[in-house]
Amino acid sequence: ETGVTQTPRHLVMGMTNKKSLKCEQHLGHNAMYWYKQSAKKPLELMFVYNFKEQTENNSVPSRFSPECPNSSHLFLHLHTLQPEDSALYLCASSHRDNEQFFGPGTRLTVL
Amino acid sequence: GQNIDQPTEMTATEGAIVQINCTYQTSGFNGLFWYQQHAGEAPTFLSYNVLDGLEEKGRFSSFLSRSKGYSYLLLKELQMKDSASYLCAVRDTGGSYIPTFGRGTSLIVHP
Repeated sequence: ETGVTQTPRHLVMGMTNKKSLKCEQHLGHNAMYWYKQSAKKPLELMFVYNFKEQTENNSVPSRFSPECPNSSHLFLHLHTLQPEDSALYLCASSHRDNEQFFGPGTRLTVL
Repeated sequence: GQNIDQPTEMTATEGAIVQINCTYQTSGFNGLFWYQQHAGEAPTFLSYNVLDGLEEKGRFSSFLSRSKGYSYLLLKELQMKDSASYLCAVRDTGGSYIPTFGRGTSLIVHP
């Protein structure tokens, strides 16, 4: 247990569906992140929030929409995804520029 | 940005020592992280190096040479549970404190 939880752990969705991924951290950190992890590729940073403010958006398509209502919760809203979006989506948190603590991820399959 | 290179896969024998290398190119170095990720689980922080030299933590050590753009993770007295992916991540001075991850090295420990 890293102190970062993610739900659901697995998700299968069609290209026309709308779903949301949830992340919660119990560590009192001020920064939260979304990463995409695909086979044979490095972790790709998607979004960063510091004190609930989005500070980075790494050219992510608009079909991915993040939301950070407070410093402990982070959502990733998904709509009209493509099969190539199938991947492991990891949430992480950190205190400023210290090491990141990752959640177990959501394994997403887009049909 | 950074160019990070690490071997894709390594195998080793239980009880042995293994060294996982990471080379990087960056315009301004500001720290290097190592993470361990077991299949289907969250990456977990192992070590952080920002100055040259060796950092030791039990069976795991991490070394950094900034002039050579080189780091290694040394695992001693290998155990079966050390079979995992090892991720090298480099941070630069370019304004964002967030590190960039390499593709990871998959280590297989066999009896």
